[in-house]
Amino acid sequence: DAGITQSPRHKVTETGTPVTLRCHQTENHRYMYWYRQDPGHGLRLIHYSYGVKDTDKGEVSDGYSVSRSKTEDFLLTLESATSSQTSVYFCAVRGEVQAQHFGDGTRLSIL
Amino acid sequence: GQQVMQIPQYQHVQEGEDFTTYCNSSTTLSNIQWYKQRPGGHPVFLIQLVKSGEVKKQKRLTFQFGEAKKNSSLHITATQTTDVGTYFCAGPKGGGSEKLVFGKGMKLTVNP
Repeated sequence: DAGITQSPRHKVTETGTPVTLRCHQTENHRYMYWYRQDPGHGLRLIHYSYGVKDTDKGEVSDGYSVSRSKTEDFLLTLESATSSQTSVYFCAVRGEVQAQHFGDGTRLSIL
Repeated sequence: GQQVMQIPQYQHVQEGEDFTTYCNSSTTLSNIQWYKQRPGGHPVFLIQLVKSGEVKKQKRLTFQFGEAKKNSSLHITATQTTDVGTYFCAGPKGGGSEKLVFGKGMKLTVNP
């Protein structure tokens, strides 16, 4: 258990609404990541953070923004959700030997 | 861009059989990692390989890093129903280590 909590675990919302997903960690990890997982695509990096207020884009960052105002919290925001953003979202932290440890995921459905 | 490819994408085996799955990178890797995701679960780190030709074992799972550090294999001996899940390999993106590039995964099903 890497001390990662994602909230909410499930969410259904409508196209055009803003959505914020939260990732909370308790072990003071410097690096945090947001991935989305879709059938046939594996895990794709959306954004990551390498410290408080330090973030960078991943390979599928369009339509997403992130913020990290505290070490323990990494927020992912969909400013105006679209149906193509229906997915399972995983937060991860980087632990020892560069291994990544994942939260339980958020299943997001956009109707 | 950098790609990590896994073959096969799906594998169905009879309980007790052995099988091997492969991971190929378009670039040389400083290390390669393997993860397992059970149905409905999240990816869980299994192992990291760093040295050329390195072989590591975890019970019935044997992981190998290729001599050129561009490919890796996972061999499972005497497959059990508890092995069911999707196995991902991943390597560091570019020259750094803070980001990983994941393969699309190999989904294993087992016939009891």
